[in-house]
Amino acid sequence: GAVVSQHPSRVICKSGTSVKIECRSLDFQATTMFWYRQFPKQSLMLMATSNEGSKATYEQGVEKDKFLINHASLTLSTLTVTSAHPEDSSFYICSARRISNYGYTFGSGTRLTVV
Amino acid sequence: QQQVKQSPQSLIVQKGGIPIINCAYENTAFDYFPWYQQFPGKGPALLIAIRPDVSEKKEGRFTISFNKSAKQFSLHIMDSQPGDSATYFCAASKETSGSRLTFGEGTQLTVNP
Repeated sequence: GAVVSQHPSRVICKSGTSVKIECRSLDFQATTMFWYRQFPKQSLMLMATSNEGSKATYEQGVEKDKFLINHASLTLSTLTVTSAHPEDSSFYICSARRISNYGYTFGSGTRLTVV
Repeated sequence: QQQVKQSPQSLIVQKGGIPIINCAYENTAFDYFPWYQQFPGKGPALLIAIRPDVSEKKEGRFTISFNKSAKQFSLHIMDSQPGDSATYFCAASKETSGSRLTFGEGTQLTVNP
């Protein structure tokens, strides 16, 4: 149980285009979903926290107009990287926190490359 | 300040050895301390977690030792195997308020055959 599906696993896009990453909890309802960014050989850096039906809370330094987060249901959150630039290339990971008990489940990550 | 400090940054052991990874935290309100294992190109996977009301927890070859007074906790991997080679992250959160995880810097473990 407690599976989080993240798609796509990798994506290459052209500079200036937008990319959407989907995070879905398959077998549980998630009160909260988190979006992280990870650079090579570094820890996870929290970008934003989203609760179903509410606006996301962004961490300091994260551009909310660039990284659009939508948490439309208790099982789905999306991250859209708008007007992507090469410096947005990174590994993006989502995590979902279960309603029923404590614990956080992570998606498998999305490798974004902007060319 | 909500920080979790992790050491060492990297660790190399021989097969069968017992690597130990240490973490220290500052916020005494933290009440959930998980360890995650991450392979290259994958998301972190929960290994084992502990709450501050116990001093030790074992799950298979993985053991967490927790010292509440010192605000430290550590991961021991018994009989380590080459397949354990991965990056390990400790984390902490205040579960009762649903707060986010605060991660350590990570430890890259290599287990040689």
